[in-house]
Amino acid sequence: GQNIDQPTEMTATEGAIVQINCTYQTSGFNGLFWYQQHAGEAPTFLSYNVLDGLEEKGRFSSFLSRSKGYSYLLLKELQMKDSASYLCAVRDDGNAGNMLTFGGGTRLMVKP
Amino acid sequence: DAGVTQSPTHLIKTRGQQVTLRCSPKSGHDTVSWYQQALGQGPQFIFQYYEEEERQRGNFPDRFSGHQFPNYSSELNVNALLLGDSALYLCASSNYRRSSYEQYFGPGTRLTVT
Repeated sequence: GQNIDQPTEMTATEGAIVQINCTYQTSGFNGLFWYQQHAGEAPTFLSYNVLDGLEEKGRFSSFLSRSKGYSYLLLKELQMKDSASYLCAVRDDGNAGNMLTFGGGTRLMVKP
Repeated sequence: DAGVTQSPTHLIKTRGQQVTLRCSPKSGHDTVSWYQQALGQGPQFIFQYYEEEERQRGNFPDRFSGHQFPNYSSELNVNALLLGDSALYLCASSNYRRSSYEQYFGPGTRLTVT
């Protein structure tokens, strides 16, 4: 079966750094995605990790440890507009069309 | 370059009715996946279409069916609607032939069943 866990809610202060963790147990693994979703909107792609290590993209970084079934999304220099839900998702096979299994999402609230 | 489009934006139906949701994939994409997202939860995979066939299916009953057309657009049909079918229905497209990993999501259709 597939199981993806992430915290339900987090709160952080504008300008700070926040780390959102995700642990997974899946029958197969071929990549882990992070998506950002503002309320009432579609998820938008943030990052993709398939090998262990850190991927940095501007203020956002994502880390993967396949042996531990663990990933995190790091957001630096937080802005008010970063208030959103952050979704961790695992692709279970190497096929580009394969389904994504999502966690429940972490709702991040950025306060002034 | 148009992204993924979905119609309608919002829909209100009564229990027992049937509904059809529509999705046009991003230009150049050939694969469409459908997801159901209940309020406050992550999206759940319903099924995926490629070359006009259902390729993978999640844990959803047969009341949920779909179709993909030669132009790669897709429909999601839900029969005998239940209150629990109220959710945001998301369509995501990708390119199977290019083995591109990224899925692009549409804005979704908000379905309310009363």
